[in-house]
Amino acid sequence: ETGVTQSPTHLIKTRGQQVTLRCSSQSGHNTVSWYQQALGQGPQFIFQYYREEENGRGNFPPRFSGLQFPNYSSELNVNALELDDSALYLCASSIDVGLAKLQYFGPGTRLTVT
Amino acid sequence: QQQVKQSPQSLIVQKGGISIINCAYENTAFDYFPWYQQFPGKGPALLIAIRPDVSEKKEGRFTISFNKSAKQFSLHIMDSQPGDSATYFCAASNSGNTPLVFGKGTRLSVIA
Repeated sequence: ETGVTQSPTHLIKTRGQQVTLRCSSQSGHNTVSWYQQALGQGPQFIFQYYREEENGRGNFPPRFSGLQFPNYSSELNVNALELDDSALYLCASSIDVGLAKLQYFGPGTRLTVT
Repeated sequence: QQQVKQSPQSLIVQKGGISIINCAYENTAFDYFPWYQQFPGKGPALLIAIRPDVSEKKEGRFTISFNKSAKQFSLHIMDSQPGDSATYFCAASNSGNTPLVFGKGTRLSVIA
């Protein structure tokens, strides 16, 4: 186990609704990243937070937003849900080891948009 | 533009055989290359990683081979076991502070 937890495990929403996904990072990790994994694909980077500030963003629209809290837990918010938002959402907490940023993933939240 | 290309898409190996998964990258700024293993219903788990200052790294039955000039790296699983059946993802990043770029994954099935 990586020590990264996510909630909820599964979620079903209707197109146009809003959703909030939560992540609890591993103790001591000050960076959290969120990824979207569509069925049969590799994870795609959404954004990253470091010390409560967004410091990197992938090719996702502004309706994807996030927060990181002082205790290093994090939220991913998605507004105006679309059918294509159906995916596994992964958060990863990371720590610098030498020159590498080792990322440890949580189990993910499976979002289904109908 | 896919920056990390992974092959094959799926692989079937006999128990005890060698599983080989290949990846190629385009961005020469990448300097950190991890492999992740993902079981159904789970998040990806870091398996092994390499930096370009070495050509090979071995951890137990898992070996990464790295060819900097060809911009290719591969994962070898020796003595493959049914418990190794999973989806494997290669990834790359600039260890400075960029996110991981993943390949599309290889579904490995090890049959007895």
